[in-house]
Amino acid sequence: SQTIHQWPATLVQPVGSPLSLECTVEGTSNPNLYWYRQAAGRGLQLLFYSVGIGQISSEVPQNLSASRPQDRQFILSSKKLLLSDSGFYLCAWNTASNQPQHFGDGTRLSIL
Amino acid sequence: EDQVTQSPEALRLQEGESSSLNCSYTVSGLRGLFWYRQDPGKGPEFLFTLYSAGEEKEKERLKATLTKKESFLHITAPKPEDSATYLCAVQAPTSGYSTLTFGKGTMLLVSP
Repeated sequence: SQTIHQWPATLVQPVGSPLSLECTVEGTSNPNLYWYRQAAGRGLQLLFYSVGIGQISSEVPQNLSASRPQDRQFILSSKKLLLSDSGFYLCAWNTASNQPQHFGDGTRLSIL
Repeated sequence: EDQVTQSPEALRLQEGESSSLNCSYTVSGLRGLFWYRQDPGKGPEFLFTLYSAGEEKEKERLKATLTKKESFLHITAPKPEDSATYLCAVQAPTSGYSTLTFGKGTMLLVSP
Protein backbone atom coordinates (compact mmCIF):
# COMPACT_ATOMS: atom_id res chain seq x y z
CA SER A 1 0.00 0.00 0.00
CA GLN A 2 1.03 3.59 -0.52
CA THR A 3 2.29 5.75 2.33
CA ILE A 4 3.49 9.31 2.63
CA HIS A 5 6.00 10.58 5.14
CA GLN A 6 6.75 14.14 6.21
CA TRP A 7 9.41 15.36 8.57
CA PRO A 8 9.98 16.93 10.88
CA ALA A 9 6.59 16.93 12.61
CA THR A 10 7.30 20.22 14.37
CA LEU A 11 9.91 22.89 13.81
CA VAL A 12 10.75 26.16 15.53
CA GLN A 13 12.99 28.48 13.56
CA PRO A 14 14.22 32.06 13.99
CA VAL A 15 13.37 34.75 11.47
CA GLY A 16 15.94 34.84 8.67
CA SER A 17 17.02 31.21 9.03
CA PRO A 18 16.82 28.68 6.16
CA LEU A 19 14.20 25.95 5.85
CA SER A 20 14.06 22.47 4.41
CA LEU A 21 10.99 20.25 4.76
CA GLU A 22 10.97 16.82 3.18
CA CYS A 23 8.19 14.60 1.90
CA THR A 24 8.54 11.09 0.51
CA VAL A 25 5.97 8.71 -0.93
CA GLU A 26 6.24 4.92 -0.91
CA GLY A 27 4.41 2.27 -2.85
CA THR A 28 3.74 4.15 -6.09
CA SER A 29 5.67 5.46 -9.08
CA ASN A 30 5.55 8.86 -10.78
CA PRO A 31 3.04 10.41 -8.37
CA ASN A 32 1.82 13.97 -8.62
CA LEU A 33 3.09 15.79 -5.54
CA TYR A 34 1.74 18.86 -3.78
CA TRP A 35 2.75 21.27 -1.01
CA TYR A 36 0.02 23.11 0.90
CA ARG A 37 0.02 25.57 3.78
CA GLN A 38 -2.82 25.69 6.28
CA ALA A 39 -3.03 28.83 8.41
CA ALA A 40 -5.39 29.26 11.35
CA GLY A 41 -8.86 30.26 10.17
CA ARG A 42 -8.00 29.77 6.52
CA GLY A 43 -8.40 26.97 4.05
CA LEU A 44 -5.59 24.91 2.62
CA GLN A 45 -3.55 27.01 0.21
CA LEU A 46 -1.74 25.21 -2.60
CA LEU A 47 1.88 26.36 -2.79
CA PHE A 48 3.53 24.08 -5.35
CA TYR A 49 2.78 20.99 -7.35
CA SER A 50 4.92 18.64 -9.43
CA VAL A 51 3.98 16.13 -12.11
CA GLY A 52 7.50 14.71 -12.50
CA ILE A 53 11.16 14.96 -11.54
CA GLY A 54 12.43 18.50 -11.89
CA GLN A 55 8.96 19.83 -12.85
CA ILE A 56 7.66 22.38 -10.37
CA SER A 57 4.67 24.70 -10.70
CA SER A 58 4.17 27.55 -8.27
CA GLU A 59 0.69 28.71 -7.35
CA VAL A 60 1.50 31.80 -5.32
CA PRO A 61 4.49 34.18 -5.27
CA GLN A 62 6.27 33.87 -1.97
CA ASN A 63 9.42 33.37 0.01
CA LEU A 64 9.43 29.61 -0.58
CA SER A 65 10.66 27.25 -3.27
CA ALA A 66 10.20 23.57 -4.02
CA SER A 67 12.30 20.88 -5.65
CA ARG A 68 11.78 17.29 -6.72
CA PRO A 69 15.19 15.63 -6.93
CA GLN A 70 13.80 12.09 -7.09
CA ASP A 71 10.55 10.54 -8.31
CA ARG A 72 9.01 10.18 -4.86
CA GLN A 73 10.73 13.01 -2.99
CA PHE A 74 9.44 16.55 -2.69
CA ILE A 75 11.28 19.27 -0.77
CA LEU A 76 10.06 22.67 0.40
CA SER A 77 12.76 25.25 1.06
CA SER A 78 13.44 28.83 2.00
CA LYS A 79 16.67 30.79 2.16
CA LYS A 80 15.37 33.25 4.77
CA LEU A 81 12.21 32.64 6.77
CA LEU A 82 9.70 35.40 7.51
CA LEU A 83 7.25 35.57 10.40
CA SER A 84 4.45 35.13 7.86
CA ASP A 85 5.85 31.71 6.90
CA SER A 86 4.48 30.21 10.12
CA GLY A 87 1.83 27.58 9.59
CA PHE A 88 1.00 23.94 9.09
CA TYR A 89 2.65 22.55 5.95
CA LEU A 90 1.13 19.54 4.27
CA CYS A 91 2.41 17.33 1.49
CA ALA A 92 0.01 15.33 -0.67
CA TRP A 93 0.10 12.95 -3.63
CA ASN A 94 -2.15 11.36 -6.21
CA THR A 95 -1.74 9.19 -9.28
CA ALA A 96 -3.70 11.42 -11.65
CA SER A 97 -5.03 14.97 -11.49
CA ASN A 98 -8.68 13.88 -11.12
CA GLN A 99 -7.96 11.36 -8.38
CA PRO A 100 -8.19 12.13 -4.64
CA GLN A 101 -5.13 13.63 -3.07
CA HIS A 102 -3.73 11.81 -0.03
CA PHE A 103 -2.05 13.83 2.66
CA GLY A 104 0.82 13.36 5.06
CA ASP A 105 0.54 14.33 8.71
CA GLY A 106 2.16 17.70 8.18
CA THR A 107 4.88 19.87 9.72
CA ARG A 108 3.96 22.55 12.25
CA LEU A 109 6.36 25.45 11.59
CA SER A 110 6.71 28.26 14.11
CA ILE A 111 8.86 31.30 13.36
CA LEU A 112 10.22 33.29 16.29
CA GLU B 1 -12.26 32.89 -9.42
CA ASP B 2 -13.28 29.53 -8.00
CA GLN B 3 -14.84 29.79 -4.54
CA VAL B 4 -15.85 27.27 -1.89
CA THR B 5 -17.89 28.23 1.17
CA GLN B 6 -18.61 25.82 3.99
CA SER B 7 -21.29 26.26 6.63
CA PRO B 8 -21.65 26.29 9.50
CA GLU B 9 -18.12 27.11 10.66
CA ALA B 10 -18.71 25.04 13.79
CA LEU B 11 -21.39 22.59 14.83
CA ARG B 12 -22.04 20.98 18.17
CA LEU B 13 -24.23 17.88 18.30
CA GLN B 14 -25.34 15.42 20.92
CA GLU B 15 -24.53 11.80 20.25
CA GLY B 16 -27.26 10.41 18.00
CA GLU B 17 -28.41 13.84 16.78
CA SER B 18 -28.29 13.78 12.97
CA SER B 19 -27.39 16.88 10.94
CA SER B 20 -25.88 18.11 7.67
CA LEU B 21 -22.86 20.15 6.67
CA ASN B 22 -23.01 22.37 3.60
CA CYS B 23 -20.45 23.14 0.90
CA SER B 24 -21.43 25.78 -1.66
CA TYR B 25 -19.22 26.31 -4.69
CA THR B 26 -18.85 28.52 -7.74
CA VAL B 27 -16.54 27.02 -10.34
CA SER B 28 -16.36 26.89 -14.09
CA GLY B 29 -16.42 23.31 -15.26
CA LEU B 30 -16.51 21.24 -12.07
CA ARG B 31 -14.44 18.08 -12.49
CA GLY B 32 -14.99 16.74 -8.99
CA LEU B 33 -15.90 17.59 -5.41
CA PHE B 34 -13.96 16.01 -2.56
CA TRP B 35 -14.76 15.62 1.13
CA TYR B 36 -12.05 15.16 3.72
CA ARG B 37 -11.94 14.67 7.47
CA GLN B 38 -9.15 16.32 9.47
CA ASP B 39 -8.31 15.50 13.06
CA PRO B 40 -6.34 18.05 15.14
CA GLY B 41 -2.65 18.08 14.26
CA LYS B 42 -3.11 15.62 11.39
CA GLY B 43 -3.38 15.79 7.64
CA PRO B 44 -6.78 15.55 5.93
CA GLU B 45 -8.12 12.04 5.37
CA PHE B 46 -10.01 11.40 2.14
CA LEU B 47 -13.70 10.47 2.47
CA PHE B 48 -15.57 10.86 -0.83
CA THR B 49 -15.39 12.08 -4.41
CA LEU B 50 -18.51 13.24 -6.25
CA TYR B 51 -18.36 13.95 -9.97
CA SER B 52 -21.85 14.86 -11.15
CA ALA B 53 -25.09 16.38 -9.85
CA GLY B 54 -27.36 13.77 -8.30
CA GLU B 55 -24.51 11.52 -7.25
CA GLU B 56 -24.45 10.14 -3.69
CA LYS B 57 -21.78 8.28 -1.72
CA GLU B 58 -22.06 6.61 1.69
CA LYS B 59 -19.62 5.41 4.29
CA GLU B 60 -20.81 4.25 7.69
CA ARG B 61 -22.71 7.19 9.24
CA LEU B 62 -21.72 9.63 6.49
CA LYS B 63 -23.52 10.34 3.23
CA ALA B 64 -22.41 12.91 0.67
CA THR B 65 -24.67 14.37 -2.00
CA LEU B 66 -24.05 16.80 -4.87
CA THR B 67 -26.13 19.36 -6.76
CA LYS B 68 -25.03 21.89 -9.38
CA LYS B 69 -24.29 24.49 -6.72
CA GLU B 70 -23.63 22.68 -3.46
CA SER B 71 -22.82 19.48 -1.66
CA PHE B 72 -24.09 18.17 1.64
CA LEU B 73 -22.42 15.84 4.09
CA HIS B 74 -25.15 14.16 6.10
CA ILE B 75 -24.18 12.64 9.44
CA THR B 76 -26.65 10.11 10.80
CA ALA B 77 -26.65 9.26 14.52
CA PRO B 78 -23.14 10.66 15.07
CA LYS B 79 -20.78 9.33 17.71
CA PRO B 80 -18.08 11.23 19.63
CA GLU B 81 -15.43 9.71 17.35
CA ASP B 82 -16.98 11.60 14.43
CA SER B 83 -15.70 14.83 15.99
CA ALA B 84 -13.29 16.44 13.51
CA THR B 85 -13.05 19.24 10.97
CA TYR B 86 -14.68 18.34 7.66
CA LEU B 87 -13.20 19.92 4.55
CA CYS B 88 -14.71 20.29 1.12
CA ALA B 89 -12.64 20.87 -2.02
CA VAL B 90 -13.56 21.40 -5.67
CA GLN B 91 -11.54 20.67 -8.76
CA ALA B 92 -11.81 22.68 -11.95
CA PRO B 93 -9.41 23.11 -14.86
CA THR B 94 -6.86 25.83 -14.20
CA SER B 95 -4.10 26.62 -16.64
CA GLY B 96 -4.44 23.19 -18.20
CA TYR B 97 -4.02 21.30 -14.93
CA SER B 98 -6.69 20.66 -12.35
CA THR B 99 -5.94 21.82 -8.83
CA LEU B 100 -8.09 21.75 -5.70
CA THR B 101 -9.71 24.76 -4.06
CA PHE B 102 -10.55 24.10 -0.41
CA GLY B 103 -13.16 25.59 1.86
CA LYS B 104 -12.27 26.64 5.40
CA GLY B 105 -14.01 23.62 6.90
CA THR B 106 -16.71 22.85 9.44
CA MET B 107 -15.54 21.91 12.92
CA LEU B 108 -17.85 19.22 14.29
CA LEU B 109 -18.01 18.34 17.98
CA VAL B 110 -20.17 15.41 19.07
CA SER B 111 -20.83 15.17 22.79
CA PRO B 112 -21.67 11.88 24.52
